[in-house]
Amino acid sequence: SYELTQPPSVSVSPGQTARITCSGDALPKKYAYWYQQKSGQAPVLVIYEDSKRPSGIPERFSGSSSGTVATLTIIGAQVEDEADYYCYSTDSSENHWVFGGGTKLTVL
Amino acid sequence: EVQLVQSGAEVKKPGESLKISCKGSGYSFTTYWIAWVRQMPGKGLEWMGIIYPGDSDTRYSPSFRGQVTISADKSISTAYLQWSSLKASDTAVYYCVASYNYWGQGTLVTVSS
Repeated sequence: SYELTQPPSVSVSPGQTARITCSGDALPKKYAYWYQQKSGQAPVLVIYEDSKRPSGIPERFSGSSSGTVATLTIIGAQVEDEADYYCYSTDSSENHWVFGGGTKLTVL
Repeated sequence: EVQLVQSGAEVKKPGESLKISCKGSGYSFTTYWIAWVRQMPGKGLEWMGIIYPGDSDTRYSPSFRGQVTISADKSISTAYLQWSSLKASDTAVYYCVASYNYWGQGTLVTVSS
């Protein structure tokens, strides 16, 4: 079955740039979506269709995709950005969607 | 405003059946596919399956096919996730999601003898 691969953890100091990657064979042809989940809360969409930012999401969040790797970038990460981040996409048939394993972002 | 409101927390015994719900409002219910997502305690998000309420076209993750049933009643703008025989390993929070952006608040299902 289709898989998306993320690093388990990323750690940065406040103000630094955090990059979280997501690898998947179908990503050259399928969009990636990114969610932020804080403890005890439902996930929140922070990037859709590889690089679009929903209204209300700070400009420091951006997304890109090249080949089989999609990347979520947080420029000037803040303490409140500490959360788990998940990528989400579909296989080439679009019959099955999948989440990456999640990346715990630590900002301290 | 688009809202998805899920049914409340459930405590069940192994072997019991269960059906949880997700009611949409603030939009035409047949507009968006609705997905169900599992999150086991301390673990990541898992895509279970998806339904198009307009014609009930349903797709399942291979991991969940045969384990759960996804359905929808467009007349009352509600999607469902059901089990015929729960296991302790079904203990998790279950979310419904419409159009990537709109999430229900989650339903905690606890299965314990």
